[in-house]
Amino acid sequence: AQSVTQLGSHVSVSEGALVLLRCNYSSSVPPYLFWYVQYPNQGLQLLLKYTSAATLVKGINGFEAEFKKSETSFHLTKPSAHMSDAAEYFCAVTTRAGTASKLTFGTGTRLQVTL
Amino acid sequence: DTEVTQTPKHLVMGMTNKKSLKCEQHMGHRAMYWYKQKAKKPPELMFVYSYEKLSINESVPSRFSPECPNSSLLNLHLHALQPEDSALYLCASSLVADPSYNEQFFGPGTRLTVL
Repeated sequence: AQSVTQLGSHVSVSEGALVLLRCNYSSSVPPYLFWYVQYPNQGLQLLLKYTSAATLVKGINGFEAEFKKSETSFHLTKPSAHMSDAAEYFCAVTTRAGTASKLTFGTGTRLQVTL
Repeated sequence: DTEVTQTPKHLVMGMTNKKSLKCEQHMGHRAMYWYKQKAKKPPELMFVYSYEKLSINESVPSRFSPECPNSSLLNLHLHALQPEDSALYLCASSLVADPSYNEQFFGPGTRLTVL
């Protein structure tokens, strides 16, 4: 079964510093990968998605992710962190299930941004 | 309208109560989902509806009963819940349930407390 692993349950960066959140996938076929963000007491918002069209994917709020097949990775980056980026970030992969499909999430990484 | 709405925002119920959660979208999506999210954990899939038919039931206890009356509406009927069922219940929708179109849009969730 396809799955994703997020390394680091908690990441802390200074405002203005590079953000790097790690995600590795396990898949025998080209996966559909996503990054979602969840602010406290809210639902999930899609940051970006990989669907094999391009290996470097740009998302909202200045985030981007690079699909690296050789490393089975899909790490999320942002050049300069802002206080408003503090949230929980989930990497996810789509898995086919019969005639439908389902989204399986990683365990999440909480991003803290300090002054 | 690119929004998934959920009502109520908060719900407190006793173990003998019957209540329902409601989810609505007007994006023309034909796949809808229920997730359960415990504190500091990723969302876990409960049910998937595709074209108003139940496609995936992730072995959810029968005290949770989903219903999809039409393509815009998804309900989750609750009966005889246990305190451990307290969680954030998230609804999501996507264009269809096929993996290549599985970008899911999430609602804000219903915070359920079972006493």
